[in-house]
Amino acid sequence: DTEVTQTPKHLVMGMTNKKSLKCEQHMGHRAMYWYKQKAKKPPELMFVYSYEKLSINESVPSRFSPECPNSSLLNLHLHALQPEDSALYLCASSHDAGNTEAFFGQGTRLTVV
Amino acid sequence: GESVGLHLPTLSVQEGDNSIINCAYSNSASDYFIWYKQESGKGPQFIIDIRSNMDKRQGQRVTVLLNKTVKHLSLQIAATQPGDSAVYFCAENSPNNAGNMLTFGGGTRLMVKP
Repeated sequence: DTEVTQTPKHLVMGMTNKKSLKCEQHMGHRAMYWYKQKAKKPPELMFVYSYEKLSINESVPSRFSPECPNSSLLNLHLHALQPEDSALYLCASSHDAGNTEAFFGQGTRLTVV
Repeated sequence: GESVGLHLPTLSVQEGDNSIINCAYSNSASDYFIWYKQESGKGPQFIIDIRSNMDKRQGQRVTVLLNKTVKHLSLQIAATQPGDSAVYFCAENSPNNAGNMLTFGGGTRLMVKP
């Protein structure tokens, strides 16, 4: 299994809603990532988890809250988002947080209304 | 801050021709580079990587060249096919105090004409 699976594929939420994005991998990877990608732009790093601990937070607003319940799962909890937060949210994993290739999921297309 | 960037936002090639996509990087501490392909509505897909102790690496129909002197990376695609149409990103992995960070360049859209 060389896949990173993200759910849901699409999500529409209001600014007062609370929702969660989920990511799962069964490759035994110990590093997992959240990226945000706006249209026609490159992915931008949000968070890095290494061995289930948050190692990098790229100054992301607190309305985005990551969680790593175990080495295979990564969640992104969303609360009180703004319309400008609408984007493709990508999860990735790699063997570790060193110089190895990162595998990406298909992303969750989020629209905030 | 330091960044990874691309010279051409759009590249149009004839089917069967070779394609060359370029990338400039500015972080001299970067020691690992990856090319990703992203099709519409999908996540980035790994194509090929190269470490800084190499200057060339070949895969199936793809070759990555690294010139550390001028901080330049290129992706060559041989016999370009319609299925190669996508946005291509270079990415660099830079060690820092917080851990390794994969930073993406701006992307180049490759359009293959039949």
